[in-house]
Amino acid sequence: DAGVTQSPTHLIKTRGQQVTLRCSPKSGHDTVSWYQQALGQGPQFIFQYYEEEERQRGNFPDRFSGHQFPNYSSELNVNALLLGDSALYLCASSLGLTLNTGELFFGEGSRLTVL
Amino acid sequence: QKEVEQNSGPLSVPEGAIASLNCTYSDRVSQSFFWYRQYSGKSPELIMSIYSNGDKEDGRFTAQLNKASQYVSLLIRDSQPSDSATYLCAVKSRTGGGNKLTFGTGTQLKVEL
Repeated sequence: DAGVTQSPTHLIKTRGQQVTLRCSPKSGHDTVSWYQQALGQGPQFIFQYYEEEERQRGNFPDRFSGHQFPNYSSELNVNALLLGDSALYLCASSLGLTLNTGELFFGEGSRLTVL
Repeated sequence: QKEVEQNSGPLSVPEGAIASLNCTYSDRVSQSFFWYRQYSGKSPELIMSIYSNGDKEDGRFTAQLNKASQYVSLLIRDSQPSDSATYLCAVKSRTGGGNKLTFGTGTQLKVEL
């Protein structure tokens, strides 16, 4: 049973560039959330996708956008990269929009470095 | 005031001792509470969830919730060196729908031999 898979695991970009991160949810899950974790901080919620629509969004600028595909996989796009975007980007999957059982599974993350 | 607050530590305990990790939250309508363990360079791993006041035990771990005081804690009994990690407290609010979690900054635990 495959867990949450993310790609790439590491990447380096320069300021102003654009990046796309990819996530495949755990088998049987249909909801994908993205979190940003800066060094020494807790994960911060970026947005959540369910039924191919953005359902909830955190306090992130429009440079951060996403997409969910019919097979439930998801992409996170960040445009006009800033140095402050350097972080570990975590994808988490769950079944539906409720979280009564705490079943939110995280992938291993994509570590983005912006130079 | 931060939505979820934790002491960043490090909290150092000797092997075999009880480690006590604390977390406070500001949103009174929060309904679900979680503790995640995160090893350095790895992703968070859920270790405990708690939804109602009182204690919930799972092996060496006990989560405690006091909604009146807006306080949740995690006790780790018989601490082992493998418990050395950062422990993240996460809270789900009843408002906003979805299953957004708000995390604290985490407490670093060091279990010393």
